Amino acid sequence: DGGITQSPKYLFRKEGQNVTLSCEQNLNHDAMYWYRQDPGQGLRLIYYSQIVNDFQKGDIAEGYSVSREKKESFPLTVTSAQKNPTAFYLCASSDDGGSPLHFGNGTRLTVT
Amino acid sequence: GENVEQHPSTLSVQEGDSAVIKCTYSDSASNYFPWYKQELGKRPQLIIDIRSNVGEKKDQRIAVTLNKTAKHFSLHITETQPEDSAVYFCAASNAGTGRRALTFGSGTRLQVQP
Repeated sequence: DGGITQSPKYLFRKEGQNVTLSCEQNLNHDAMYWYRQDPGQGLRLIYYSQIVNDFQKGDIAEGYSVSREKKESFPLTVTSAQKNPTAFYLCASSDDGGSPLHFGNGTRLTVT
Repeated sequence: GENVEQHPSTLSVQEGDSAVIKCTYSDSASNYFPWYKQELGKRPQLIIDIRSNVGEKKDQRIAVTLNKTAKHFSLHITETQPEDSAVYFCAASNAGTGRRALTFGSGTRLQVQP
């Protein structure tokens, strides 16, 4: 069953700790993306990767880091430098920038 | 970079009525325009998309229109049903060169009253 798996579904961390969100896809897509969604707002692009070992900053990359060592995986690290990390994080993949996005089920991160 | 504005932020209609959501984009190089539906607590799901080489696309009760000159596109839902209640997002990207990642609008919460 092809798709995108994000884990965990809920994540709780103390302020000042780094945390890594997992995203794995078995759709054989080249491109992968991380979006952040805050209540009542749209999806804002954090980072994206169009090919293995390459990634670009999105609109709100400060305080986040990513890696793309494998085609299937695109983990997102929320660092302590992110001022307001509590949000719903969505990972997505696509064949390319002009193809539909397939989203994971998201990870809801709460930092206190 | 691309900027996508979406209106209205909330829309309430009676069951059976039509609903229209409008978006404008800023980058004339954008050429791919999808619409996503997100139910509460779930992931966004693609409902329809259009590319810049066509002006209109229809899929049963859903249609999208694109005006490249004015840089705006709209989602039309006819004969609305309670299950159409959700948040709808428009998006735009340049599928050719440059930043090949979708920029989303802020969303429209559609409520269909039975």
